[in-house]
This record gives sequence, C-alpha cells and structure tokens, in this order.
Amino acid sequence: GQNIDQPTEMTATEGAIVQINCTYQTSGFNGLFWYQQHAGEAPTFLSYNVLDGLEEKGRFSSFLSRSKGYSYLLLKELQMKDSASYLCAVIGSGYSTLTFGKGTMLLVSP
Amino acid sequence: EAQVTQNPRYLITVTGKKLTVTCSQNMNHEYMSWYRQDPGLGLRQIYYSMNVEVTDKGDVPEGYKVSRKEKRNFPLILESPSPNQTSLYFCASSPTRAAMVTQYFGPGTRLLVL
Repeated sequence: GQNIDQPTEMTATEGAIVQINCTYQTSGFNGLFWYQQHAGEAPTFLSYNVLDGLEEKGRFSSFLSRSKGYSYLLLKELQMKDSASYLCAVIGSGYSTLTFGKGTMLLVSP
Repeated sequence: EAQVTQNPRYLITVTGKKLTVTCSQNMNHEYMSWYRQDPGLGLRQIYYSMNVEVTDKGDVPEGYKVSRKEKRNFPLILESPSPNQTSLYFCASSPTRAAMVTQYFGPGTRLLVL
C-alpha cells in the first residue's frame, strides 16, 4: 500500500522561506512529484525527483532522500500568490499509479 | 494548444440518474487517468488507462466505469450516482505511464449529487 504524510496547514510571511515536508511509505518507488494547486483549480507541476538530492528551480527547490522516505519542498522569497495547496505525490512500482498526499495548505501573509 | 478538456465543468444531478463526464486530450497521449478530490482526503485515483482498450482500477473505483475506445477520449461514467460521489473530478493525461513528469490536468468538473 501507499502512505504519504504532509502537514495539513502552514503559515508564513511574505519574503520569508518555508519548507514543506513529505514522508512516504510505498510499495515500490519510481519518483516523487510536487504540485501546486490554487483553490478550485487543477494542480500544476512544480518538480519531480527520482534520485537523492536537491533540485533547484528558481524560487522553488525540492529535496529527496529515498532511504528515509522523505522529501521537502523549499519556497524562497515568498509572495502572496504562493498561497495555495502543495501536493506531494509518489509513483509506485510499475509506473501505473500516482498516489497523492492530502496536501499542505500554505497561507502567506503580508 | 495542448490541452485536456472536461465537460461539463459543473453539474448538479439527483441520486440514481446516470451521467457521463467527458475528457478529451489533443496531444496523442497514451496514458489517461481520473481523480477525485475531496476536502481532507486529497486527490485519489479512480481509474487509469495505459492505451486504447486498456483500463485498470485505481484506489477508489467503486461506483464508476470508464472506457477508452479512442486514444483522445476517456469518459467517466456514473451509472447510478449517489451523494457520496459529490466531489471535484480531474482528468489527466501523459505521453506514457512512465512519463508522468509531463502529466497535464484538465480544469476539473465539480459534481453535486442530491
């Protein structure tokens, strides 16, 4: 089975840095995604990690440790528009299914 | 423009009245999938299809059917909708099952079953 855990809610201040953690226990692993989702909209792709280490993409970075079943999404220089839900998702064995965590709602305040 | 379209975007219906939500992609993608999203539960996969005439159950398939007669279309069928199927539904597609890094999501269909 698949189990993905991430915090339900986080708050941060504009201009700050925030780290959203995700732990997973899955039967097989073929990669981990982070998506951003604004209320009522479709998820949009942020990052994909399949090897250990840090992937940096502008203000967003994602880290993966396969041995620990752990990932985090790091958002720098927070902006108000970063207020959204952040979804961690894992592809299991066979590449057939993508299992999502319940999402972390991030609220950025002025 | 590369896109995934869903229709309808919003639907209110009554228990037991069969309905179909259409999903279409114009990117010649092999892999298509349906998800439902509920507060506190996140996105959960209903069904997926790896190619024409190849479909399989996801995590929450009960009460749903799908078909994949053509590559571009992947309709979701609720034969006898019930209130617990009230949800936000997303269709998604990617070139192949191993290429989900380029998965495209449709805009979503908000369904209310009374």
